[in-house]
Amino acid sequence: AQSVAQPEDQVNVAEGNPLTVKCTYSVSGNPYLFWYVQYPNRGLQFLLKYITGDNLVKGSYGFEAEFNKSQTSFHLKKPSALVSDSALYFCAVITGGSYIPTFGRGTSLIVHP
Amino acid sequence: DTGVSQDPRHKITKRGQNVTFRCDPISEHNRLYWYRQTLGQGPEFLTYFQNEAQLEKSRLLSDRFSAERPKGSFSTLEIQRTEQGDSAMYLCASSLSTNTDTQYFGPGTRLTVL
Repeated sequence: AQSVAQPEDQVNVAEGNPLTVKCTYSVSGNPYLFWYVQYPNRGLQFLLKYITGDNLVKGSYGFEAEFNKSQTSFHLKKPSALVSDSALYFCAVITGGSYIPTFGRGTSLIVHP
Repeated sequence: DTGVSQDPRHKITKRGQNVTFRCDPISEHNRLYWYRQTLGQGPEFLTYFQNEAQLEKSRLLSDRFSAERPKGSFSTLEIQRTEQGDSAMYLCASSLSTNTDTQYFGPGTRLTVL
């Protein structure tokens, strides 16, 4: 079985400050991890993924995420937040034997001017 | 536009009516997924296709739901005898063949059952 937890329903950050959106996972094999962003009344847009290799993954719009196997985490980060980053962020996991991702409940990021 | 498209974007229907949604994936993508998303939740898997074959269905997919992908290109999702609990955003995504390939999502169809 696979599961994803996004422990924060909402994250508030001031523009220009660093941001972190947390994600932890539980799987029975090697995890493949994804981050997506969703703007109001829109579908999900892919940000980045970790499959193998370097634990630090860089993605779209200046976002990055670090895979931490010992802590089973894949937190999303950005050094300097923009107001336009305000959106819903979803973490997802797939294990090697599955083709069906499990998504977290999402975290609402609000960046204040 | 080479992204995933869905039609219609919004659908309002009365309880008991049938509705059908269409998804056009990215042309070279073999896999096509349907998800349901309700407020405050992430997407929940409904079913997926590899080319024209429907390979897996979620237990969420009651017998009122049916999906097809007849020629391995576009797909349709039909809900018969709609209920108020069917109100949700229905998302379609497509990807290449492996499970590490990124899924690309369409804009979704928002269904409201009155």
